[in-house]
Amino acid sequence: GAGVSQSPSNKVTEKGKDVELRCDPISGHTALYWYRQSLGQGLEFLIYFQGNSAPDKSGLPSDRFSAERTGGSVSTLTIQRTQQEDSAVYLCASSLALVTGTDTQYFGPGTRLTVL
Amino acid sequence: QKEVEQNSGPLSVPEGAIASLNCTYSDRGSQSFFWYRQYSGKSPELIMFIYSNGDKEDGRFTAQLNKASQYVSLLIRDSQPSDSATYLCAVTDTGFQKLVFGTGTRLLVSP
Repeated sequence: GAGVSQSPSNKVTEKGKDVELRCDPISGHTALYWYRQSLGQGLEFLIYFQGNSAPDKSGLPSDRFSAERTGGSVSTLTIQRTQQEDSAVYLCASSLALVTGTDTQYFGPGTRLTVL
Repeated sequence: QKEVEQNSGPLSVPEGAIASLNCTYSDRGSQSFFWYRQYSGKSPELIMFIYSNGDKEDGRFTAQLNKASQYVSLLIRDSQPSDSATYLCAVTDTGFQKLVFGTGTRLLVSP
């Protein structure tokens, strides 16, 4: 595809329910990142994938959050037993994972999650 | 804890003026520096990146980096109302790693 795509664009759920957010990176981009942006806040890193492995999960806020990536492409971020503080825009980005030069990340449109 | 600091603004400039956006970072190991533009309700859009000390120009935009002072800036010449947005500064260590973002500076360009 031309850019990073994410689905759904909006998700409203009740407290305690599980949600799955999907990210489809730019074709050929081996690195994939999840960030979270709460209202009026900066972007907060959650997890990074290189291929199907996640070398850096340091930003996941609790064990209710998990993510996987299959086939080196699509990634799913799962939030179990959602809480109201999980309400935010979840952004996915991808990059070529350049080892020389500057590797640039391109963002998808985001999923706005609202936990009631 | 790596930190990136930006003045939240809003920075108000008249149309046609130069807008100057500033950013400081705490980690001396930071290697690459990025400016993203974010319109309200939209996702961040990459404007420029810089990794060498000095200036880098692209159209109306100039990024400036001073690693000794741990300072990076973005100048927007001939500002237009369509430039009104939040500008996010982001830094990374080396290669393909997470970006650490500032909270952004809101720019308002008045006609």
